[in-house]
Amino acid sequence: DTAVSQTPKYLVTQMGNDKSIKCEQNLGHDTMYWYKQDSKKFLKIMFSYNNKELIINETVPNRFSPKSPDKAHLNLHINSLELGDSAVYFCASSTGDTSYEQYFGPGTRLTVT
Amino acid sequence: QKEVEQNSGPLSVPEGAIASLNCTYSDRGSQSFFWYRQYSGKSPELIMFIYSNGDKEDGRFTAQLNKASQYVSLLIRDSQPSDSATYLCAVNTYPLSNFGNEKLTFGTGTRLTIIP
Repeated sequence: DTAVSQTPKYLVTQMGNDKSIKCEQNLGHDTMYWYKQDSKKFLKIMFSYNNKELIINETVPNRFSPKSPDKAHLNLHINSLELGDSAVYFCASSTGDTSYEQYFGPGTRLTVT
Repeated sequence: QKEVEQNSGPLSVPEGAIASLNCTYSDRGSQSFFWYRQYSGKSPELIMFIYSNGDKEDGRFTAQLNKASQYVSLLIRDSQPSDSATYLCAVNTYPLSNFGNEKLTFGTGTRLTIIP
């Protein structure tokens, strides 16, 4: 009965490859998010979708493309991976906008070699 | 740039004492304030949230808001070794201009160690 789940948990890949991370929430929330946590543990918003509509698109390279097939799923596709993309990527969800509490998935640790 | 600042620590507190964590924010329009606990290698876990209408107590945890001084604090009473973690403060912030969206801005976290 996991609330927010992500796959895979670990992802090790080489520079230049393309990879995807999947996220699913069973909380019935309308809004989902992607965050990046770097090696210094700083957590920063990347994207947010509300009911399949993109509402937050921070200054993120075009190589990152989110997709929300329905309001329970939010995927992140990354093209041409670079060393600097190595981080932990967290998916989160909330009932409404960012005024509401957000619940995080377990994270995907991406290592680019 | 709207910011949320925390003392990175580490903050060491004896078991059974009160741990006090602070966070300052720059956006006067912020109305929602959250405290997350993150154990090493784990995801952030929401432990407290308050809105601009006052303080909140939940078990051993109390969140306090001082809007005039723009800071939020988290008090942990009767600290336990299991409270040792990084505590992240998060605040909803609004864009500086007509471009951009309201978002949740996180501080860099305070590492708390409870000493048995």
